[in-house]
Amino acid sequence: GNSVTQMEGPVTLSEEAFLTINCTYTATGYPSLFWYVQYPGEGLQLLLKATKADDKGSNKGFEATYRKETTSFHLEKGSVQVSDSAVYFCALANYGGSQGNLIFGKGTKLSVKP
Amino acid sequence: EPEVTQTPSHQVTQMGQEVILRCVPISNHLYFYWYRQILGQKVEFLVSFYNNEISEKSEIFDDQFSVERPDGSNFTLKIRSTKLEDSAMYFCASSAGAGGSYEQYFGPGTRLTVT
Repeated sequence: GNSVTQMEGPVTLSEEAFLTINCTYTATGYPSLFWYVQYPGEGLQLLLKATKADDKGSNKGFEATYRKETTSFHLEKGSVQVSDSAVYFCALANYGGSQGNLIFGKGTKLSVKP
Repeated sequence: EPEVTQTPSHQVTQMGQEVILRCVPISNHLYFYWYRQILGQKVEFLVSFYNNEISEKSEIFDDQFSVERPDGSNFTLKIRSTKLEDSAMYFCASSAGAGGSYEQYFGPGTRLTVT
């Protein structure tokens, strides 16, 4: 079946540090891959996505590349800010014959200290 | 910017009671979803809904659950007889289409506590 595994948190970094949150997936076919972010007290927001192999999604300084050979979609940011503190969820959707419900990882809580 | 809204933000109910969680999707969206997140666990898909019928449902979505779009704007999730293990954050989402190019927009969630 389809599943997503992401690194356990929490992750604590100092401002301007480099961020990597690992995400790997298992899926049949060719899923689309997503990173969602949840700020305290808010709902899930799409951060970035990639719909096919070798695509790079990017937004707000975050990047992730869809790697089919390693079934990975790691999230990176070169210099984190305090405002990036949130929970990050990796997710996939398989659209073949379906509406594309999202399958999420467990989430990784990021805390950035000034 | 349009957004998905959910009410109430927090619902406390006794075991065995019925609850209805309400969502107002973005107005021109056609596809609707419910997810839940038990505290400390992953967000899980419950059900998707299109054209006034269920498109897909997970094994979590048993006979105790139902969904409805009663008036063209609201999208509701009903739990007929709540159990302790139904305590979770419930998220509604909507999208304009189904496919990788369409984003699912999430509401802020309803925290359901069953005592």
